[in-house]
Amino acid sequence: RKEVEQDPGPFNVPEGATVAFNCTYSNSASQSFFWYRQDCRKEPKLLMSVYSSGNEDGRFTAQLNRASQYISLLIRDSKLSDSATYLCVVVRTGANNLFFGTGTRLTVIP
Amino acid sequence: ETGVTQTPRHLVMGMTNKKSLKCEQHLGHNAMYWYKQSAKKPLELMFVYSLEERVENNSVPSRFSPECPNSSHLFLHLHTLQPEDSALYLCASSPGAKRAGNTIYFGEGSWLTVV
Repeated sequence: RKEVEQDPGPFNVPEGATVAFNCTYSNSASQSFFWYRQDCRKEPKLLMSVYSSGNEDGRFTAQLNRASQYISLLIRDSKLSDSATYLCVVVRTGANNLFFGTGTRLTVIP
Repeated sequence: ETGVTQTPRHLVMGMTNKKSLKCEQHLGHNAMYWYKQSAKKPLELMFVYSLEERVENNSVPSRFSPECPNSSHLFLHLHTLQPEDSALYLCASSPGAKRAGNTIYFGEGSWLTVV
């Protein structure tokens, strides 16, 4: 079983829509969680960390559900500039401790 | 401005050539990584160095040879590559290879084409 699984999409949504992505992880010892954004032909960039209590940054909300072992990213009022691939990252102690999902492709349509 | 810089940004090489990719991080981190990203595939971890010691090698072919002379610099030496090695090679750094809360920062990548 993969360490981290994501729905690859693509998600095509109109401007202004709300869209949510989920990411599941297999190891309950996982300790830290992040969402990264990757634009076409660019490197992944940190979007936000995910905290147990949930956290919000403007239009973006990240949540963690340890019992069900998934993290989510909610984007409200989608903008054209939100079009990108969103990668979830799960971290646990030990060597090679960073696990990337395959990414979810989002396209926001005018 | 990125804290992780990679050169060259683009490289075209023949299958018999020898070339190197260079990475430098200015973040004071202790761990550095090489990842490979092929078209429509997820990131593949190639090598991890922590405090200049290699801590992980995911069975990468020997035609890829990493070198980490100090905690700020990382090289990927390339020789006798195959066309299927054409990909985006991403260098990254993080505070430590084994720490919880480890946030990883990527360089802009080196686009490699093997002809």
